[in-house]
Amino acid sequence: QQQVKQSPQSLIVQKGGISIINCAYENTAFDYFPWYQQFPGKGPALLIAIRPDVSEKKEGRFTISFNKSAKQFSLHIMDSQPGDSATYFCAASSPDRGSTLGRLYFGRGTQLTVWP
Amino acid sequence: NAGVTQTPKFQVLKTGQSMTLQCAQDMNHEYMSWYRQDPGMGLRLIHYSVGAGITDQGEVPNGYNVSRSTTEDFPLRLLSAAPSQTSVYFCASSSLAGGASEQFFGPGTRLTVL
Repeated sequence: QQQVKQSPQSLIVQKGGISIINCAYENTAFDYFPWYQQFPGKGPALLIAIRPDVSEKKEGRFTISFNKSAKQFSLHIMDSQPGDSATYFCAASSPDRGSTLGRLYFGRGTQLTVWP
Repeated sequence: NAGVTQTPKFQVLKTGQSMTLQCAQDMNHEYMSWYRQDPGMGLRLIHYSVGAGITDQGEVPNGYNVSRSTTEDFPLRLLSAAPSQTSVYFCASSSLAGGASEQFFGPGTRLTVL
């Protein structure tokens, strides 16, 4: 069962546009929601992350919006650039220090293409 | 710091062969894990470890073994390779402080099983 559902699977945006990727989860114990960026041939790298005590976090052109009641969070990339073309993964984890300690549950990824 | 390193970068195996994918980290992280990445499936957890001598299964452990004799190294063993194990394998590590939330990934090993 997919713990984190991500959409869309692929996204094409023109340079300067806004890219929006959405994720939804069911487990209300999740308390950490990171986004990872992966370029072809590379490993994923942490881009930005949020905890549920805030509804929004912004770092440069990247913003996470978090809706706790709807159990949804999204990544917004403002002024999208060709260099942002990559695969983006959302993820979630819980603070349980038992069997799920450290475990990240990933969405299936969104391949973003930004046309110049 | 080199971060998380993986060897080899590419490997081709025949069905039934065995091999070990190497992973090492120099950040003194307690937590290490192995994922496989397949098209449209995202990253799926194979095995993980919260410290030397402690390992546990993830979502897709069948056909893989792990051990953790040191903090730095976490090798993944394929016992008898099958075509279904063709994938890109990523090793990751993180500090248990803060619940092992931020994970650092290696560059990956692309494995093809014929």
